[in-house]
Amino acid sequence: QKEVEQNSGPLSVPEGAIASLNCTYSDRGSQSFFWYRQYSGKSPELIMSIYSNGDKEDGRFTAQLNKASQYVSLLIRDSQPSDSATYLCAVKKGGYQKVTFGIGTKLQVIP
Amino acid sequence: DGGITQSPKYLFRKEGQNVTLSCEQNLNHDAMYWYRQDPGQGLRLIYYSQIVNDFQKGDIAEGYSVSREKKESFPLTVTSAQKNPTAFYLCASSIGGTGGSGANVLTFGAGSRLTVL
Repeated sequence: QKEVEQNSGPLSVPEGAIASLNCTYSDRGSQSFFWYRQYSGKSPELIMSIYSNGDKEDGRFTAQLNKASQYVSLLIRDSQPSDSATYLCAVKKGGYQKVTFGIGTKLQVIP
Repeated sequence: DGGITQSPKYLFRKEGQNVTLSCEQNLNHDAMYWYRQDPGQGLRLIYYSQIVNDFQKGDIAEGYSVSREKKESFPLTVTSAQKNPTAFYLCASSIGGTGGSGANVLTFGAGSRLTVL
């Protein structure tokens, strides 16, 4: 079982719709969760971090964490063509500096 | 401006040669990381360092070596033992430590693309 699992996609949504990206993790000791966005040929950049159960909103982005189900998601409202990128889920266990990434979900926003 | 500088941006290597990728940060971060990314793949951890003079193997350390003699620098050597080194290499850093939100948010360099001829 992979430590962090994501559907590779591509996930296609029309402009203005809500994009929903999902991620599951295997280690119940995980304490920190991150979503990074990566444009083709570029390095990843942080979109959201979340550390406790529930929702965290930042502009058009909402991260959701459910530790009991070992599940973290990212919602993108009012999707724009500029949101087209690969979204990487990352997880860190408590007490360690190791940060593990999923394979990423490719999002395509269709104008 | 604070950030992470990776060099070279592009590197070509002949089979059997060792190459070293440079990573320098001026963010005063304690933790540094090297990841490898293959086409259509996520990031796989090669090595990480929590503090100067200390580093740990990641998930795919075979064929790679690192050093952490200075807080600012974490060079990666790709040795001839690495059988399939062609990839995009990303260096990252974080504040580190076990407390405080944001301590493990990674800041990435622009990456180094290594091609074996």
